[in-house]
This record gives sequence, C-alpha cells and structure tokens, in this order.
Amino acid sequence: GAGVSQSPRYKVAKRGQDVALRCDPISGHVSLFWYQQALGQGPEFLTYFQNEAQLDKSGLPSDRFFAERPEGSVSTLKIQRTQQEDSAVYLCASSLPGQAEKLFFGSGTQLSVL
Amino acid sequence: GDSVTQMEGPVTLSEEAFLTINCTYTATGYPSLFWYVQYPGEGLQLLLKATKADDKGSNKGFEATYRKETTSFHLEKGSVQVSDSAVYFCALLPRQGAQKLVFGQGTRLTINP
Repeated sequence: GAGVSQSPRYKVAKRGQDVALRCDPISGHVSLFWYQQALGQGPEFLTYFQNEAQLDKSGLPSDRFFAERPEGSVSTLKIQRTQQEDSAVYLCASSLPGQAEKLFFGSGTQLSVL
Repeated sequence: GDSVTQMEGPVTLSEEAFLTINCTYTATGYPSLFWYVQYPGEGLQLLLKATKADDKGSNKGFEATYRKETTSFHLEKGSVQVSDSAVYFCALLPRQGAQKLVFGQGTRLTINP
C-alpha cells in the first residue's frame, strides 16, 4: 500500500476490556515494529517482527500485551484487561529488512481507557 | 543504558527566526542519530540522520551535526516557516544492526506568522 495503515484511529475502552489494534504495513516490508507513545513523551519500543517471527518482545510492559503477525503481513496488538495506564498512542512502523534507520510510521491508534 | 535528552518545549518563534533544538545522547556503542518530525494528524517522518561522528544530516533546510565529543545532535534551521510547526523527536539506534530506536521526549515547535 501507499503507507502504513492503522485502525482504529481512536479507541475508547472501559477498564478491564480487551482491545485489538491493527496494523497494515507497506507492501513488501518484512520488518514491523510496535511503539507506545504516552502523552507528552517520545515513542517507546514494544516489539519487533521479521516476517511472521517475533524477534524481540522485550518492550511489552506486561503479559497483558500480546502481538502477532501470523502471515507476515498484517499485525495485531492485543491488550487484555486494559488499565488506565495503558492509555497512549500505539504506533506501528515498517521497513525493509535490516533497515531500522528507514522506518515508515503509521498515524497511530489513540487508546483511552476509562 | 542508551538514552536521548531533548530541550524542553514548547518552543514558539516568529516566521524567519533561527531555530535550534538541543539534543544530547548517552550510548555505550557507536550510535546512529536521527531527527523525526510529527506534523499534526500525521505519522512520524524521518527528517534527517547521521551515522558517524562529524557527519552532517540535512533536509528541507534543517541541519544537524553528529558531535561525538559533546554527545550532541542539535537541530538547526536558519529561517523557519509556519509550515515547520510540528513536534520534533531526536532518536538513536544504539549500534549497527540494532532494531530498537530510542527516542527523546519530543519538542513541540510553533511558528507564528
């Protein structure tokens, strides 16, 4: 596609609900990243895929966070039993393999947990 | 650990003013350094980068020089425009082959006509 597409653009959840955030990377980009951006802060790394393999999940803040990319294209970030501290913008980015210096970011999903 | 510190915002300037946004870093290896820009309602975009000491990155009139002796990568522009209003992020990749970008907290820039 023309760019990295994320949906939904905005998500409001009640505390304790599960949410799923979707990312469609640029066609042909085998590397895919998720970042979390709290209000007024810079993005923080969550996890990284190369094709369908999750190579690094060291940034996931708890076992309530789970990411998958089963066919090596679209990825879903799932947050179970959401808490207020999960409120943030979740950014997805993609790149060609080994080119983390040339990331293309989506516009993000803004999650608000009430 | 690796980290990036940016000057506190917000920064407000008049059109055609000179811009400097300070960025310093801490890294154990030999990082690559980046400036990303986030325009309202859009995703982060790479503005410029430098991969080794004394390299100068430049794009759209913006410049930044990788200074190893001062561990700095300050962003400059000689004459800003209203369209430069955005949030600017300094970032690093800790070493060649690394995949995790480390970002500063961002600096919001507003340019008034």
